[in-house]
Amino acid sequence: AQSVAQPEDQVNVAEGNPLTVKCTYSVSGNPYLFWYVQYPNRGLQFLLKYITGDNLVKGSYGFEAEFNKSQTSFHLKKPSALVSDSALYFCAVRDSNTGGFKTIFGAGTRLFVKA
Amino acid sequence: DAGVTQSPTHLIKTRGQHVTLRCSPISGHKSVSWYQQVLGQGPQFIFQYYEKEERGRGNFPDRFSARQFPNYSSELNVNALLLGDSALYLCASSHGQVGHHANTEAFFGQGTRLTVV
Repeated sequence: AQSVAQPEDQVNVAEGNPLTVKCTYSVSGNPYLFWYVQYPNRGLQFLLKYITGDNLVKGSYGFEAEFNKSQTSFHLKKPSALVSDSALYFCAVRDSNTGGFKTIFGAGTRLFVKA
Repeated sequence: DAGVTQSPTHLIKTRGQHVTLRCSPISGHKSVSWYQQVLGQGPQFIFQYYEKEERGRGNFPDRFSARQFPNYSSELNVNALLLGDSALYLCASSHGQVGHHANTEAFFGQGTRLTVV
């Protein structure tokens, strides 16, 4: 069965510092990995995805993520955090063995960026 | 272009009642999925529909059902509501084609906040 773990409930970082939000996954086939962000009382917004190819993927708002197959991880990163990055971040995975029709989300990590 | 629209935005129901939630996908998107997000948790997958057929189902009881219409809009129905069904229900659409669905990101609506009392 596919699963996603986000080991940190909350990440605190000072504005201007680099940030990392961690994600590990488990699938039986090939993983298709996604990051989404959720602002209060809003739906989820897509940030970036890894399907195949280059392990470092770049997305919206300066975010990037690195796929590591051996560690089954897909950590979200940003070189310089902004206060406006404060939000709830979700990692999600689809499993090629289920045809990609079932998306499993992690529990989420709340990011606080302090000015 | 309009994004994914969901109605109603908020809803209060009594235990035992039935509820229908509606979703209109982005124009051109043929795939719709439904999620339940309980406060403090990540979205839990309920259903995935593509071309009016159910393509995926999460671990939810039979009280939950859905359908997709010829115009690709969708309804989620929940019967015999329980207090534990109180949650934000999210609908997402994607281009999605069989064999290529996994590649496409989902676009989410703002959700329907269901409160069961």
